[in-house]
Amino acid sequence: QKEVEQNSGPLSVPEGAIASLNCTYSDRVSQSFFWYRQYSGKSPELIMSIYSNGDKEDGRFTAQLNKASQYVSLLIRDSQPSDSATYLCAVTRGNFNKFYFGSGTKLNVKP
Amino acid sequence: GAVVSQHPSRVICKSGTSVKIECRSLDFQATTMFWYRQFPKQSLMLMATSNEGSKATYEQGVEKDKFLINHASLTLSTLTVTSAHPEDSSFYICSARDRANTEAFFGQGTRLTVV
Repeated sequence: QKEVEQNSGPLSVPEGAIASLNCTYSDRVSQSFFWYRQYSGKSPELIMSIYSNGDKEDGRFTAQLNKASQYVSLLIRDSQPSDSATYLCAVTRGNFNKFYFGSGTKLNVKP
Repeated sequence: GAVVSQHPSRVICKSGTSVKIECRSLDFQATTMFWYRQFPKQSLMLMATSNEGSKATYEQGVEKDKFLINHASLTLSTLTVTSAHPEDSSFYICSARDRANTEAFFGQGTRLTVV
């Protein structure tokens, strides 16, 4: 079983819609959760971090964490074509010295 | 976010030679650095984790004698791919975090092509 699982997509949404990206993780002791965005040929950039159950909002982005279900999601409101990228979910445990990444979900926002 | 600078961004080398990749944290002290490899259309694969002043911890299946990691200072880590072969061609990315933060920030990546 993989540490972090994501649907590879592609997920296609029209411009202005809400994009919903999902991630599950296998280890209950995972402590911190992150969403990164990676454009083709580029390095990942951090979008959101979340540490406790519930929702965390930052601009058009909302991260949701449910530790009981071992599930973390990212909502992107008012999706823009510039949001088209691969979104990577990452979790850490053990003093934050191990980052485990999912395989990423490719998002296409159509104008 | 914090700035991590990786150099070079692209390198082409001949089979059998060695290549060194540098990763620098510019505005924070990187107590931990991570090295990843990413093949086309695949996810990041963690190669090793290094803490300043101590030996790197390699992931299973990663040859420590082939991928030499040095983290001699709080702002610099290097990855040396020794005796590179075409199958080592990949996108190598470093990331770093400091003691105070849980987030890790990525360098720009290095596209290695071995011919």
